[in-house]
Amino acid sequence: AQRVTQPEKLLSVFKGAPVELKCNYSYSGSPELFWYVQYSRQRLQLLLRHISRESIKGFTADLNKGETSFHLKKPFAQEEDSAMYYCALSPSGSARQLTFGSGTQLTVLP
Amino acid sequence: DAGVIQSPRHEVTEMGQEVTLRCKPISGHDYLFWYRQTMMRGLELLIYFNNNVPIDDSGMPEDRFSAKMPNASFSTLKIQPSEPRDSAVYFCASSLGPQGRGYTFGSGTRLTVV
Repeated sequence: AQRVTQPEKLLSVFKGAPVELKCNYSYSGSPELFWYVQYSRQRLQLLLRHISRESIKGFTADLNKGETSFHLKKPFAQEEDSAMYYCALSPSGSARQLTFGSGTQLTVLP
Repeated sequence: DAGVIQSPRHEVTEMGQEVTLRCKPISGHDYLFWYRQTMMRGLELLIYFNNNVPIDDSGMPEDRFSAKMPNASFSTLKIQPSEPRDSAVYFCASSLGPQGRGYTFGSGTRLTVV
């Protein structure tokens, strides 16, 4: 069975500081990894996925299979980045369900 | 497309009452998921459907919970009888084809059972 761990429930940084939200996973195969973001009282939105290797809103995430990690990073945090961030994993192949981590609440202080 | 539509946005009910949550997935999406979000447990998958057929309901906490998808454009999650510990935000999500595209979530239903 797959598992996603986000070790930090809360994370606070100052505006302009770098930020890294940690995500570790356990899965025996080749997973697909995602980051979702939920702004205050809004729906969850897909932020980025490792397959596309994209940068969204200045965020990037690299899949490290050796460390089984998919940490989310941004070099200069902005106040509007304050939100709940969820890391999610989907087994490759025919399975469809996403397994989410417990989430990290990021607060960017002025 | 209006996205995934959930109703109601908020529901307050008394313990013991029946609660029905509704979801309209994105047209053409063949997978529908129900998640529950709480502070303590984060996001939990309750059940998901593929082409209107329930595939995995192992996340449904108790027999008090049931879900149906009578057609491709509508699903319900019912709790009968409701209990205060069911208070949470319930999200519906839909997806099409390969998982690599991710889900589209609805705005959620905030349920409060008093």
